[in-house]
Amino acid sequence: KAGVTQTPRYLIKTRGQQVTLSCSPISGHRSVSWYQQTPGQGLQFLFEYFSETQRNKGNFPGRFSGRQFSNSRSEMNVSTLELGDSALYLCASRKDRGLSYEQYFGPGTRLTVT
Amino acid sequence: GQSLEQPSEVTAVEGAIVQINCTYQTSGFYGLSWYQQHDGGAPTFLSYNALDGLEETGRFSSFLSRSDSYGYLLLQELQMKDSASYFCAVRGGSQGNLIFGKGTKLSVKP
Repeated sequence: KAGVTQTPRYLIKTRGQQVTLSCSPISGHRSVSWYQQTPGQGLQFLFEYFSETQRNKGNFPGRFSGRQFSNSRSEMNVSTLELGDSALYLCASRKDRGLSYEQYFGPGTRLTVT
Repeated sequence: GQSLEQPSEVTAVEGAIVQINCTYQTSGFYGLSWYQQHDGGAPTFLSYNALDGLEETGRFSSFLSRSDSYGYLLLQELQMKDSASYFCAVRGGSQGNLIFGKGTKLSVKP
């Protein structure tokens, strides 16, 4: 079974631009969560999508948004990029929204904002 | 608020046993989990404790004490490939979001 895939793997953007990142979950997984990882703040939860609906949202500004498609693939968008948005963005999928913690992470997208 | 505390770094020698502690503070606690992340890699799920006690999976064991808001990951017969960062995580709060600790960087020396 193929794992979680994320595209692109690396991205360099300029401050003020916007960016869209893509995540394809494991086949059959309906929940996709997004995380931001930085050396200073660690892994921080952005949002979770299930059946095309945002179910949970972390403490990030409205510049961070996402969506999920009917095939469970998900995209996240960051508008008006700031230098502090430079991070590894990880998505994780799991089969459903039960309390099981077994999430499967993708390799991440390394975003650098200059 | 919600918070998790774990040591930032731990060093041990090959073949030894190491314990990584995690204390948490959260409302609506639903269990403690552990993830491993090698440099440049993605986090991978290791274990999940919803109830008090010890869960064993091969060389790795995880323990939870809900009354103490405390858990630990125990790694036995350490191997060089165990050098990685280890994160504890809890699902809690009003929205049940998964909150991660800052991670413990484990270095295994020969």
